[in-house]
This record gives sequence, structure tokens and C-alpha cells, in this order.
Amino acid sequence: DGGITQSPKYLFRKEGQNVTLSCEQNLNHDAMYWYRQDPGQGLRLIYYSQIVNDFQKGDIAEGYSVSREKKESFPLTVTSAQKNPTAFYLCASSNPYNEQFFGPGTRLTVL
Amino acid sequence: DQQVKQNSPSLSVQEGRISILNCDYTNSMFDYFLWYKKYPAEGPTFLISISSIKDKNEDGRFTVFLNKSAKHLSLHIVPSQPGDSAVYFCAASGTSGSRLTFGEGTQLTVNP
Repeated sequence: DGGITQSPKYLFRKEGQNVTLSCEQNLNHDAMYWYRQDPGQGLRLIYYSQIVNDFQKGDIAEGYSVSREKKESFPLTVTSAQKNPTAFYLCASSNPYNEQFFGPGTRLTVL
Repeated sequence: DQQVKQNSPSLSVQEGRISILNCDYTNSMFDYFLWYKKYPAEGPTFLISISSIKDKNEDGRFTVFLNKSAKHLSLHIVPSQPGDSAVYFCAASGTSGSRLTFGEGTQLTVNP
């Protein structure tokens, strides 16, 4: 089955700790994306990568970092510098028609 | 600056009637538009898209209309079903790259 997987589904972190969210796709898509959704708000772009070993900042990249060493994987690290990290995080990949397909999301809660 | 806006945070309709969700954009470089549906605690799922060279695209119960001069698009769902109750996001992309800009979403509730 082709798709996007994100793990874990729920994640708890203590203040001051870095945490890494996993995103894997087997759709053979070149482009991958990370979004954040807060209650009552739309999806805001954190980082995106159009090809392996390359990525660009989105609209709210501060306090986050990414890597793209493999086509299938685009992990997101939420660092201690992110002032308000509690949110729902969504990973996506896109086909050549720019239709983005999303994973199930990870809900991060900072305790 | 919000380049894609969905001015109605919520919409309630009766089962069997038409649902019309609206979206406005400001960036004239946008040339491809998409609608996504999202249930709570899940990722959005792609519904339907339209290129700027068209003014209408239809897929089953879903039709998207694009008015380029008004920078406005709408999603029509006919007939509406209770299972359509979800948050609907419109999104846009331009020729400069693949990134999408999303609206804030509209919560649709279809009452039986």
C-alpha cells in the first residue's frame, strides 16, 4: 500500500528538550513538506524539500530543523528554541501535478 | 499577509441540500487551486483541484468553480451528506514552485 506514515501519533516532551518527528513515504514523490496546525487555524508551512539533500524554510521555520538524506524520509526536529511547540504536525508529499498527500499527523504536547 | 482567505469559519446545511464553500485569494501568480477535507486528528485528504485555464471542474458530487477576475473560488457539494461534515481547506500554488498556501478552513456541518 502506498502512502505516508508519521510516527508517533502522540508525543510528549518536557520543556527544553529536542524531539524528532518521523515522516516516511513510499509514493516515490520528490517533494515533501512539514506543516503545523493550531486550533482554529489553517496549515502553516514549516519546511519543504523538493529533492534529496535540499530543503527550504517555509513561513514559520524558526525553532525547527529538517534533513533530507533519503527520498523516502523527511524528519522534523522541534528544538528547545521553538517557543510554542504544542501543536498538530502534518507531513505531506506531492506528485508532479502538485497534489499534496498528507500523513495522519503527530500531536506534540510540551509538558 | 493572508494570501488565501476563507471568510466563513463555519457552515451548517441540511442533508440533501447544496453546500457552498468560498475562498478568496490575493496573489495573481497563483495558477492552481485545490480543496482538501479534514477530519479531527487526521491528515487532510485531497478532494478536487482546478487549473487557472479552466473555470469549472467536476468530480461526482463535488464541483469547483474559479472566477479569476474576482480571485474567487468555490466548492459546491450536491447533495450534501452527514459524512461530509469536516473542515474544508482551500489551497493555492503558483508557477514559482510547488509549495501550497492554505486558507484557514471552514467547518461544514451537514445535519440529518
